[in-house]
Amino acid sequence: NAGVMQNPRHLVRRRGQEARLRCSPMKGHSHVYWYRQLPEEGLKFMVYLQKENIIDESGMPKERFSAEFPKEGPSILRIQQVVRGDSAAYFCASSPGERGEAFFGQGTRLTVV
Amino acid sequence: SQQGEEDPQALSIQEGENATMNCSYKTSINNLQWYRQNSGRGLVHLILIRSNEREKHSGRLRVTLDTSKKSSSLLITASRAADTASYFCATDAADSSYKLIFGSGTRLLVRP
Repeated sequence: NAGVMQNPRHLVRRRGQEARLRCSPMKGHSHVYWYRQLPEEGLKFMVYLQKENIIDESGMPKERFSAEFPKEGPSILRIQQVVRGDSAAYFCASSPGERGEAFFGQGTRLTVV
Repeated sequence: SQQGEEDPQALSIQEGENATMNCSYKTSINNLQWYRQNSGRGLVHLILIRSNEREKHSGRLRVTLDTSKKSSSLLITASRAADTASYFCATDAADSSYKLIFGSGTRLLVRP
């Protein structure tokens, strides 16, 4: 049973470009979470999705950021018109239900130059 | 505001010694989890303790939870150089159990 798979592991974008981060949850998990981690800090919740539904996006910036978890395929975190402040590690986690253990992927490290 | 705050922020010990990290939080929780993160890597789940539990063991790890003080501790016994990492506690809120709120972590260095 493969763990949570994120790709790419590293992503470099110029200011103004778009970044697309992918997350495939563990097999059997229908709950996906995205977190952002700035250097030397803990993870900050961004968004919680179930298949085809955004349940809680209270941690997402109102502009330029969007997330989806389609019926088929991975969850996507999309950042439009990236700025230097978007540089961070973005982690995806999945769980079989709302409560209990969340399993994290290895993260995507986004660098905006 | 931060739900979980770890203390100390950094800890340096000799291999073989025990390491104790503490975590405090603010609101009622369903459970508290501890994670390890090696530099530049993802998070590894270490242990989950539920709000009705007071102590839990897993190998060289011992976690305690005091809900009256809203605090938890992680003890790593007989530390090894490979334990060098950042350790985070994460809590959920009783009214939004899916959302994990992380502290800023304790950076542990185990000197060989």
